[in-house]
Amino acid sequence: DGGITQSPKYLFRKEGQNVTLSCEQNLNHDAMYWYRQDPGQGLRLIYYSQIVNDFQKGDIAEGYSVSREKKESFPLTVTSAQKNPTAFYLCASSLRGTSGELAKNIQYFGAGTRLSVL
Amino acid sequence: AQSVSQHNHHVILSEAASLELGCNYSYGGTVNLFWYVQYPGQHLQLLLKYFSGDPLVKGIKGFEAEFIKSKFSFNLRKPSVQWSDTAEYFCAVNSGNYGQNFVFGPGTRLSVLP
Repeated sequence: DGGITQSPKYLFRKEGQNVTLSCEQNLNHDAMYWYRQDPGQGLRLIYYSQIVNDFQKGDIAEGYSVSREKKESFPLTVTSAQKNPTAFYLCASSLRGTSGELAKNIQYFGAGTRLSVL
Repeated sequence: AQSVSQHNHHVILSEAASLELGCNYSYGGTVNLFWYVQYPGQHLQLLLKYFSGDPLVKGIKGFEAEFIKSKFSFNLRKPSVQWSDTAEYFCAVNSGNYGQNFVFGPGTRLSVLP
């Protein structure tokens, strides 16, 4: 089955703790994204990566970190610096292009991870 | 910076009623437009998209959307809703060649009463 797998489905963080959310895709997509979803605010971009070993900050990157060592994987770490981490986190991927059809960036989403603070 | 607004936070309809969800965006250049749907307990999935050509686009499950460039709008419609359409609907805009310009609206929650 091709798709995007996020784990765990639910995650709890203690005060001062870093936690890592996993995102794996077998769609052979170049680009991957992390969004945060809060009620009434839609999706906000945290980080994105267009190719392996490269990533860029999105609109709300503070308190988060990512790595992209493999094409299939784009883990997100929620650090202790993120003061309001409780949210639903969505990972997405897309083909990457700079022109033509690939530039349309249709994004495919994982099922999400719900993070709560203890 | 571009932004996307959706007119309604929560819409409640009875089955067989007609649906129109509003979406407006602020970017003045060429855009690609999307509607995504998130059914309860399921992941976000693409409902329909507009890239170019006929401004009236048809998606899955009987949904359609009309792109009106002069109004910067991309409203979603369905002539007769079903209970199974209960979900959250997100309008999204991609204004550039890269994913970082992909902006989502705040979402509209649709509740369809049986």
